[in-house]
Amino acid sequence: GENVEQHPSTLSVQEGDSAVIKCTYSDSASNYFPWYKQELGKGPQLIIDIRSNVGEKKDQRIAVTLNKTAKHFSLHITETQPEDSAVYFCAASLNYGQNFVFGPGTRLSVLP
Amino acid sequence: DTGVSQNPRHKITKRGQNVTFRCDPISEHNRLYWYRQTLGQGPEFLTYFQNEAQLEKSRLLSDRFSAERPKGSFSTLEIQRTEQGDSAMYLCASSSRQTVEAFFGQGTRLTVV
Repeated sequence: GENVEQHPSTLSVQEGDSAVIKCTYSDSASNYFPWYKQELGKGPQLIIDIRSNVGEKKDQRIAVTLNKTAKHFSLHITETQPEDSAVYFCAASLNYGQNFVFGPGTRLSVLP
Repeated sequence: DTGVSQNPRHKITKRGQNVTFRCDPISEHNRLYWYRQTLGQGPEFLTYFQNEAQLEKSRLLSDRFSAERPKGSFSTLEIQRTEQGDSAMYLCASSSRQTVEAFFGQGTRLTVV
């Protein structure tokens, strides 16, 4: 089955700096890759996603890139703010959302 | 509020008791998922419905777990004879086949004592 790895497990950046989180997946048939942000005691919140027919997608300060050949995708957050502090999860899905396999998460701390 | 709704938010139960959780998906979302999340881990897939049909179940879902989605609307997840290892956050998500994006509820935190 699909396996998703995520690095780093923790990341601390200064406010205003950029943060990059990387994920790899094992099943080349996976075709949909969402990213979720989870704050303490809350459910995961979808922040951006990308489909396998697209190499990059951007939404304001957040961008995601996908390299299908290498089977990895990355989340880029620019101009980080303290409210970006949370745990971020990547996920991979077959059949555009029939099932989601999540990575173990990255705890991002943005230091003021 | 048109988001995914889960009830209860918290449940404390004694080992051996049965518990049932409810999930109300976003209106008109035909896909519904249940996930389990333990502290410091990513969500783990339990089961998936498309309309009322349960199309996929994880091997994590032992015989003590059962999920239903009558009439393709809300869903329930029941755990029988709870064990301490069942303590976790149980998350529900929904999506539509057309838009794909899955939206999660706030979860039900189960504590088995």
